[in-house]
Amino acid sequence: DVKVTQSSRYLVKRTGEKVFLECVQDMDHENMFWYRQDPGLGLRLIYFSYDVKMKEKGDIPEGYSVSREKKERFSLILESASTNQTSMYLCASKVFSGVNQPQHFGDGTRLSIL
Amino acid sequence: KNQVEQSPQSLIILEGKNCTLQCNYTVSPFSNLRWYKQDTGRGPVSLTIMTFSENTKSNGRYTATLDADTKQSSLHITASQLSDSASYICVVSAQNAGNMLTFGGGTRLMVKP
Repeated sequence: DVKVTQSSRYLVKRTGEKVFLECVQDMDHENMFWYRQDPGLGLRLIYFSYDVKMKEKGDIPEGYSVSREKKERFSLILESASTNQTSMYLCASKVFSGVNQPQHFGDGTRLSIL
Repeated sequence: KNQVEQSPQSLIILEGKNCTLQCNYTVSPFSNLRWYKQDTGRGPVSLTIMTFSENTKSNGRYTATLDADTKQSSLHITASQLSDSASYICVVSAQNAGNMLTFGGGTRLMVKP
């Protein structure tokens, strides 16, 4: 089974802090994704990566950056956290080939910015 | 703009009863539609995927239907169990959209004993 592991289930940070969310997958997947999930808005794509050191903006990249130095690890960075970034963050991975292959999700990091 | 609308937003049923969740989409050109189940505090897990040529697919007590002409899908749950309590998310992929998916807002189902 694919396992996508997010380093923290819950995180509380202060406004202005630099925040790192880490995600690791164990299936050698090429594609990795960061989403945020807010009530009533569904999942929204922040960034994705299709290879090491490659990244593409999603629908809501403002205020975020990402890093993919190794194939199995994809990091989301909040350069200067703000209260409107309080949310559930979900990481996912997917094999490169096959448009019908599913994305496999981690269990999420619930981030609160005070 | 590509959109996916789900209804109802929430639903409460008694254990053992059946229910149907709805998904309407405007994603074009259509590639596939997937239903995910998300338990509280967990990430979404894929239940079924349907492509243009498929109109019914089952996964145990879950049966998904697709009408590509009316751009509607439904997820039918038979003989509900307490473990079916979760959010169900409809996700649609467009052709040539690469990794960009359009997510519905989900239906929150609660099954009561």
